[in-house]
Amino acid sequence: EADIYQTPRYLVIGTGKKITLECSQTMGHDKMYWYQQDPGMELHLIHYSYGVNSTEKGDLSSESTVSRIRTEHFPLTLESARPSHTSQYLCASKPYRGDRLGDTQYFGPGTRLTVL
Amino acid sequence: AQTVTQSQPEMSVQEAETVTLSCTYDTSENNYYLFWYKQPPSRQMILVIRQEAYKQQNATENRFSVNFQKAAKSFSLKISDSQLGDTAMYFCALAPGGSQGNLIFGKGTKLSVKP
Repeated sequence: EADIYQTPRYLVIGTGKKITLECSQTMGHDKMYWYQQDPGMELHLIHYSYGVNSTEKGDLSSESTVSRIRTEHFPLTLESARPSHTSQYLCASKPYRGDRLGDTQYFGPGTRLTVL
Repeated sequence: AQTVTQSQPEMSVQEAETVTLSCTYDTSENNYYLFWYKQPPSRQMILVIRQEAYKQQNATENRFSVNFQKAAKSFSLKISDSQLGDTAMYFCALAPGGSQGNLIFGKGTKLSVKP
């Protein structure tokens, strides 16, 4: 399996709490991604990064924010969680070697978030 | 708009049999890659197979092969000699040129392999 880690794996919190989902990879990959996976299992890109100090919004609008201070670390933060944020969040990474379309994205195990 | 469509939400197959999962896509790019990813229950998503649009030869990886029909924009996955461990969600994905490798995923097909 790929060397990409997510913590926590499961999280149940109350409305209004601030949370940070952690994602780390030890492969030295420049590009990192956050996906939201809805109960129907469809994947939506919510954030991505080309490298340190680079962050971009994805196709699906999200109230979450991300940061990329270190190559290996790409945390996602929700300032005030709501029940609509209940979902599975997947982190992924891939090497950035120009426009290499064929490079594999490696996925973490996911964080299943439930907001009550 | 670039899209990926998987028309089979769920499929099942008997162990040792062959199954084909369908995927169609739409892109105006000439250069792109197509992928099949597998997400087993409660486990990490992994790459199954990939196909470059410029290559006419269909990709194969052991028991997994694709039928890439570029003109029809079709990219089906064939699993031969199905095993219980093949039970998973399967996602078809497109990386179009100019996208810097960002993937566009289909909605997935849930495959169950029955003993």
